[in-house]
Amino acid sequence: AQSVTQPDIHITVSEGASLELRCNYSYGATPYLFWYVQSPGQGLQLLLKYFSGDTLVQGIKGFEAEFKRSQSSFNLRKPSVHWSDAAEYFCAVGAEGRRALTFGSGTRLQVQP
Amino acid sequence: EPEVTQTPSHQVTQMGQEVILRCVPISNHLYFYWYRQILGQKVEFLVSFYNNEISEKSEIFDDQFSVERPDGSNFTLKIRSTKLEDSAMYFCASIGQGARYNEQFFGPGTRLTVL
Repeated sequence: AQSVTQPDIHITVSEGASLELRCNYSYGATPYLFWYVQSPGQGLQLLLKYFSGDTLVQGIKGFEAEFKRSQSSFNLRKPSVHWSDAAEYFCAVGAEGRRALTFGSGTRLQVQP
Repeated sequence: EPEVTQTPSHQVTQMGQEVILRCVPISNHLYFYWYRQILGQKVEFLVSFYNNEISEKSEIFDDQFSVERPDGSNFTLKIRSTKLEDSAMYFCASIGQGARYNEQFFGPGTRLTVL
């Protein structure tokens, strides 16, 4: 069975600082990997996705993520955080055939002025 | 840009009552999903639906739950007799036929509060 681990429950960074959110997955084959963002009281917005090809993927809002098969990781990065990035971030893994996504427990990002 | 919509945004009900949560997936999408998120916890899969039948369901999706696509646009989740532990945010999602990456588009959610 597939699983996702987000080791950091809560991260605080200063505005303008760089950000890296960790995600480790467990899946037998090549996974579909996603990062979603959830602002308070809102739904899930897709930031970026990976299935194959270039292991560094670009997403919306200046985010990027790098797939490292050897480490079973798909960490999310942003070079300079903005106050509006404060939200909860979920990593998710999916399989072929339009199967259900499995989500990590999320990382809450707080941005200090 | 097309989006998934859900109604109501917030539903309050008494324990034991039936509730129906409604979703309108993106119009040309064919695969539909329900997930739930108990406050402060991770998003959990409930059920997927394709071609008018359930294609996959989780252990959470017991006999109290049912799904239906009553017409060409709506996708509903019914909870027959709500329990306190059903209080959660319920998200609907959909995928298009030609989707390459299993990318699911999520609605804004319905917050269900069971008293």
